[in-house]
Amino acid sequence: DAKTTQPNSMESNEEEPVHLPCNHSTISGTDYIHWYRQLPSQGPEYVIHGLTSNVNNRMASLAIAEDRKSSTLILHRATLRDAAVYYCILRALDSNYQLIWGAGTKLIIKP
Amino acid sequence: GAGVSQSPRYKVAKRGQDVALRCDPISGHVSLFWYQQALGQGPEFLTYFQNEAQLDKSGLPSDRFFAERPEGSVSTLKIQRTQQEDSAVYLCASSGRVPRGYTFGSGTRLTVV
Repeated sequence: DAKTTQPNSMESNEEEPVHLPCNHSTISGTDYIHWYRQLPSQGPEYVIHGLTSNVNNRMASLAIAEDRKSSTLILHRATLRDAAVYYCILRALDSNYQLIWGAGTKLIIKP
Repeated sequence: GAGVSQSPRYKVAKRGQDVALRCDPISGHVSLFWYQQALGQGPEFLTYFQNEAQLDKSGLPSDRFFAERPEGSVSTLKIQRTQQEDSAVYLCASSGRVPRGYTFGSGTRLTVV
């Protein structure tokens, strides 16, 4: 399974945009890029996913590099409630599950 | 219900005790997953069901771990003769068709003393 690499932690100020990077240089053509976040004492929560094109939803935007070897999760206006661990994982189209999760990026929001 | 429900939320077990952790997935989700999450780490895959069939159990750490989903809905993860290293949060997730995301429960925090 292809792996992803993320920074251990990032800090941002409240009400400012946040860009969370993820590298996945061994991604295959059928891998979808998924992002989850995990608030303290909760299970991970689905945020967004994409294949090739940039994606937007009510929670965030996902920018995918043209070569698909990296992606960036964008929170347009961070709030204190966005403080969480953010995971970037790859999910193969022909596989119904993802085996490998990294340690994610701990996002700290400063008021 | 609307989400994935896990029970109990917390479990303290004495070393050597057997435990059973329950997961109620989202209705209609055929895929169900169990993950183990140690403190400060990402989830680690344990096992995967498609309906009642256990298609992958390669992540189960030992033969003390056993999972079942007899009717293709509720699943139970059983750990026999618990050890201290079994202390972790056990997460259950269900999923519809790829490439949609998983929906996770809040987990069961198991502490073995």
